[in-house]
Amino acid sequence: SQQGEEDPQALSIQEGENATMNCSYKTSINNLQWYRQNSGRGLVHLILIRSNEREKHSGRLRVTLDTSKKSSSLLITASRAADTASYFCATADRGSTLGRLYFGRGTQLTVWP
Amino acid sequence: EAQVTQNPRYLITVTGKKLTVTCSQNMNHEYMSWYRQDPGLGLRQIYYSMNVEVTDKGDVPEGYKVSRKEKRNFPLILESPSPNQTSLYFCASRTLGLLYNEQFFGPGTRLTVL
Repeated sequence: SQQGEEDPQALSIQEGENATMNCSYKTSINNLQWYRQNSGRGLVHLILIRSNEREKHSGRLRVTLDTSKKSSSLLITASRAADTASYFCATADRGSTLGRLYFGRGTQLTVWP
Repeated sequence: EAQVTQNPRYLITVTGKKLTVTCSQNMNHEYMSWYRQDPGLGLRQIYYSMNVEVTDKGDVPEGYKVSRKEKRNFPLILESPSPNQTSLYFCASRTLGLLYNEQFFGPGTRLTVL
């Protein structure tokens, strides 16, 4: 399967703590993206990191990419209850002329007040 | 406001009764796709379209049809729904190209087939 795999499947933390989610994938990629999904809602794009980038920041989000290990991590700093959601990584394969995205199964993050 | 809209948001139907879920985007995106989301299985692509009159199968196309007669619309058709098509469906769109292909998702359609 070309799907990415997130780890852990579920994460539960207190407000103010940092949350780290990991994603592993199998193919050579053009870019990797992280999406967020609130319960039963559509996915919302958070951040995109290209294969030639190692780290990227956006507000409280920090994404790293290690293409040698075929892995990425998403760090949410100073988490809030409103960060409670599922987080998905998606990869765009280098070999695909369409840049098709392959989604993982997601990490369910719960942030307790 | 840039958005992807889907209708209906919720649908309960019976086995064999044809239905259509509409999808429309106002961003002039070339690429549109349909996904289904099931517990433990993540998002799986059903069909996608690169432009008007160009459609192709994703990972789980069986039991579904699509059409792309206009750039903004990409309806999903279930000719004879079955209970295993009970799922949460998402339409998505984006521009073509590899450098920046953020996808925009619709709000989802929760389908129950009895």
